[in-house]
Amino acid sequence: GEDVEQSLFLSVREGDSSVINCTYTDSSSTYLYWYKQEPGAGLQLLTYIFSNMDMKQDQRLTVLLNKKDKHLSLRIADTQTGDSAIYFCAESIESGGSNYKLTFGKGTLLTVNP
Amino acid sequence: DAMVIQNPRYQVTQFGKPVTLSCSQTLNHNVMYWYQQKSSQAPKLLFHYYDKDFNNEADTPDNFQSRRPNTSFCFLDIRSPGLGDAAMYLCATGPGTGRTQYFGPGTRLLVL
Repeated sequence: GEDVEQSLFLSVREGDSSVINCTYTDSSSTYLYWYKQEPGAGLQLLTYIFSNMDMKQDQRLTVLLNKKDKHLSLRIADTQTGDSAIYFCAESIESGGSNYKLTFGKGTLLTVNP
Repeated sequence: DAMVIQNPRYQVTQFGKPVTLSCSQTLNHNVMYWYQQKSSQAPKLLFHYYDKDFNNEADTPDNFQSRRPNTSFCFLDIRSPGLGDAAMYLCATGPGTGRTQYFGPGTRLLVL
């Protein structure tokens, strides 16, 4: 089945690290994504990881993938107030032929307090 | 800069009055997607075009239609909007061989 679960809220202090967790169910997912959505805006692709990797780092962002447990996390180092947003985890699954679709979690609202 | 553009950013319509939302892209991607996102919810895929091939999600209401006249443009038509159709509508594009999707800023639809 297709189901992506995330905790709904996370609150951190400015300068701390944030860790947003996600679990997914489709073991055939080959790409997993993190998107950021600021209020009233579209989704901004932050990073993605291929399923044969267990870690990917991009500046302040670190993605960890535990394929055995179907667990994905996004760590933001030195969190800033500008990082306050909703973060969506998504998995890419094949929907027939060469078509792929994204299944999103409900999003985690990250609040960064000064 | 290559991008996904949605017009208008805000749209107000009346109950039952047809409305069309527009999406264009300069990325030259094969695939264009339309999502509906209601408040505090995940985006929900309505349908997508792979080139000219239209792929409808099974639970997308008949009230929602789409047109893709060329590679760059894709339209979402809501034939008879109801109050429950008020939402953010997100357009995304993706290369045919990849899975990554790039989103536009969205159109927020209000139905009075």
